Amino acid sequence: AQTVTQSQPEMSVQEAETVTLSCTYDTSESDYYLFWYKQPPSRQMILVIRQEAYKQQNATENRFSVNFQKAAKSFSLKISDSQLGDAAMYFCAYRGLLNSKLTFGKGITLSVRP
Amino acid sequence: EAGVAQSPRYKIIEKRQSVAFWCNPISGHATLYWYQQILGQGPKLLIQFQNNGVVDDSQLPKDRFSAERLKGVDSTLKIQPAKLEDSAVYLCASSLEAGPFGLHFGNGTRLTVT
Repeated sequence: AQTVTQSQPEMSVQEAETVTLSCTYDTSESDYYLFWYKQPPSRQMILVIRQEAYKQQNATENRFSVNFQKAAKSFSLKISDSQLGDAAMYFCAYRGLLNSKLTFGKGITLSVRP
Repeated sequence: EAGVAQSPRYKIIEKRQSVAFWCNPISGHATLYWYQQILGQGPKLLIQFQNNGVVDDSQLPKDRFSAERLKGVDSTLKIQPAKLEDSAVYLCASSLEAGPFGLHFGNGTRLTVT
């Protein structure tokens, strides 16, 4: 079974600074997808960024980018130029190639200091 | 496009009572998921439907939880009888089956069992 580990329960960043959220996973599959979701107090899970494991190039979406290390099974999220609206819980998630269900980590609470 | 709709938004019940949650997925999404998110944890899959058939219900406590998806569209999740440990947010999500797509989530139902 696949597992996703987020070992940092909380992080804090100064507005306009850069922060990196860590995630590791375990799988025996060679092809899969990885995601970062944001969950603000409204509770709705919002897709931030996704990475296909067969792609060597790291995904980027505006201020959000990932550092995907397939051999190390590591998938970290970097948020540049942090904004107050980035404050939320962030979840790392894994999806296999054949089944669309997501397996989530425990999440990390990100706070942004003005 | 309209998002995933869930109701109610909040529900408070006493232990041993029953409760039901409703979900309407995004039009055209064949796959529907119910996740349970206990405070401070990541979402855990309870059940996954493909059209109106069950794909995965391995983590559904079948002695008290039941779910159905009539006509492959709307779905209801029921708990009977509820226990204190069922207090959580219940998230419904839907997806297109194929491709590296993430899940689209509703706003969830926060259940408090007293």
